Amino acid sequence: DAKTTQPNSMESNEEEPVHLPCNHSTISGTDYIHWYRQLPSQGPEYVIHGLTSNVNNRMASLAIAEDRKSSTLILHRATLRDAAVYYCILIRNSGNTPLVFGKGTRLSVIA
Amino acid sequence: GAVVSQHPSRVICKSGTSVKIECRSLDFQATTMFWYRQFPKQSLMLMATSNEGSKATYEQGVEKDKFLINHASLTLSTLTVTSAHPEDSSFYICSARVGTGNYGYTFGSGTRLTVV
Repeated sequence: DAKTTQPNSMESNEEEPVHLPCNHSTISGTDYIHWYRQLPSQGPEYVIHGLTSNVNNRMASLAIAEDRKSSTLILHRATLRDAAVYYCILIRNSGNTPLVFGKGTRLSVIA
Repeated sequence: GAVVSQHPSRVICKSGTSVKIECRSLDFQATTMFWYRQFPKQSLMLMATSNEGSKATYEQGVEKDKFLINHASLTLSTLTVTSAHPEDSSFYICSARVGTGNYGYTFGSGTRLTVV
């Protein structure tokens, strides 16, 4: 599976937007970009995913670079409940393969 | 949405005893479930892939005789940690892919195992 690179940690003030970057320069044409987050002492939860076009849902937005070698997860207004580890993962849309987690980005939100 | 129910949420056991962790898919059928282990301040590490009606596939370095996986139905997979030792203390998480195509994965809430 293609590798992703994320900053180890980021900090945001409450109610401000947060842009979490992810580099995936070796992405292949069939790889989907998925984002998951893990709140303390919980299992990960799905945030958003995309292939080529930018995506929006109730939790976040996903901006995908034109060459697909990077993407950015956007939380429009960070809350204290958004403090978590955010994982950017590439998934091939075939078969039933497991998610392979990197180290992710630990987001701290300051009140 | 699709939910995986994982129990127990936390368990403390004595060294040498066995502990069973259950994961149930509540509103969908999971032919495959994935089991992860997570040590403090570290990322999730895949332990094994559980397939309904067949033997599980274990990742390199994971002892299949110590971590027994059973997936007897389309809605239940269990992980039994046998002869537990303090170094097995960890956060165990199960997961399943929801549907087909480019859908996401859903995760259990995790089991905090402490071996004393």
